[in-house]
Amino acid sequence: SQTIHQWPATLVQPVGSPLSLECTVEGTSNPNLYWYRQAAGRGLQLLFYSVGIGQISSEVPQNLSASRPQDRQFILSSKKLLLSDSGFYLCAWSSRARGELFFGSGTQLSVL
Amino acid sequence: KNQVEQSPQSLIILEGKNCTLQCNYTVSPFSNLRWYKQDTGRGPVSLTIMTFSENTKSNGRYTATLDADTKQSSLHITASQLSDSASYICVVSALNNDMRFGAGTRLTVKP
Repeated sequence: SQTIHQWPATLVQPVGSPLSLECTVEGTSNPNLYWYRQAAGRGLQLLFYSVGIGQISSEVPQNLSASRPQDRQFILSSKKLLLSDSGFYLCAWSSRARGELFFGSGTQLSVL
Repeated sequence: KNQVEQSPQSLIILEGKNCTLQCNYTVSPFSNLRWYKQDTGRGPVSLTIMTFSENTKSNGRYTATLDADTKQSSLHITASQLSDSASYICVVSALNNDMRFGAGTRLTVKP
């Protein structure tokens, strides 16, 4: 069966520090991979999606970047965090055929 | 503009009672609609998926309806339990796989 791992679960970082959130998927090949951000009381905002290794599409201009160095690995990064980067970050995958999203357990990021 | 609106924003009910959550959308051309349940601090989990030709679909105590003409969906929860306390998110996909998320309804079930 397919599983998705996302870590860390919580992270507290000072403004200006770098960020690296990692997500890996097991049990499937060639998944579509996604990074979402969820602000408190708000809907999910798509940040990045990837249909293959090295292929990244960005939905909104921001202080973040994403990379997909391997088929089932998706990394969210920042060189210098801003206060506004605080939020709940979710990694997700979907198969190319179905489109149903399977989410990781999320990372609560607090930038202080 | 493709949008998904959910109501109410939040809801408090007593354990054992029923409730209905609403989702209105303008996504076009429509492909499918999913309801997700998101426990606090966790990732959303899919409850149901509905395509254009489906009017009703059940998953245990959860029943989703879809009216593709009026572009409305509802999620009915029967005999609520404390574990139903969560956010319920409506996600509508267009034929080009563009997915639009509602802001969710925060349900609290009290004993």
